[in-house]
Amino acid sequence: EVQLVESGGGFVQPGGSLRLSCAASGFAFSRSDMHWVRQPTGKGLEWVSVIGAAQDTYYSDSVRGRFAVSRDNARNSLYLQMDSLTVGDTAVYYCIKDLEGAFEIWGQGTTVTVSS
Amino acid sequence: QSALTQPPSVSGSPGQSITISCTGTSSDVGYYKYVSWYQQHPGKVPKLIIYDVTTRPSGVSYRFSGSKSGITASLTISGLQPEDEALYYCSSYTRSNTWVFGGGTKLTVL
Repeated sequence: EVQLVESGGGFVQPGGSLRLSCAASGFAFSRSDMHWVRQPTGKGLEWVSVIGAAQDTYYSDSVRGRFAVSRDNARNSLYLQMDSLTVGDTAVYYCIKDLEGAFEIWGQGTTVTVSS
Repeated sequence: QSALTQPPSVSGSPGQSITISCTGTSSDVGYYKYVSWYQQHPGKVPKLIIYDVTTRPSGVSYRFSGSKSGITASLTISGLQPEDEALYYCSSYTRSNTWVFGGGTKLTVL
């Protein structure tokens, strides 16, 4: 069964950091492009970042320079290091497997709350 | 990275067909075939229902179809059923090697 399980979310003060993890199973993780997408409560979806199978990375304007995506193919794991967090980063963060530029398989999400 | 434009809401009666539009620019929807659609029920994780403009993933009902003309993509749902009531989002790859979503459309089945 294809599965993505996120972890690492929590409560953090503005300016703080968090590292999200995503454990993948049931597919060829090392050959898959992987995304992070977030969704504030009651709002729409926002693409955050992608890391390709070749380790190339891209970011949305809103997180570039503050967030860093990485992967460990030996551990079938995806990561998102989030620094200089702001209230606007509060959201559910989803780890997603790519299929031809689409978001095919979604994890259940992990909640990040940034508040003083 | 401006969001794609979707109508906030659409509605239809059971058995009818509805279409949701998704308007972008010549740098995203108009440039690539990488347009996709997602269905999200309240409290649930979004589900991929269309990718590559017109392709349905395995297990998605034939009642869902996608198309594109210029900078506007469309999702059509035929034979509306009560369980189709949900939020629908479009997404597109962009020339900046990023992705963008639409703001979402709430479908109400009357």
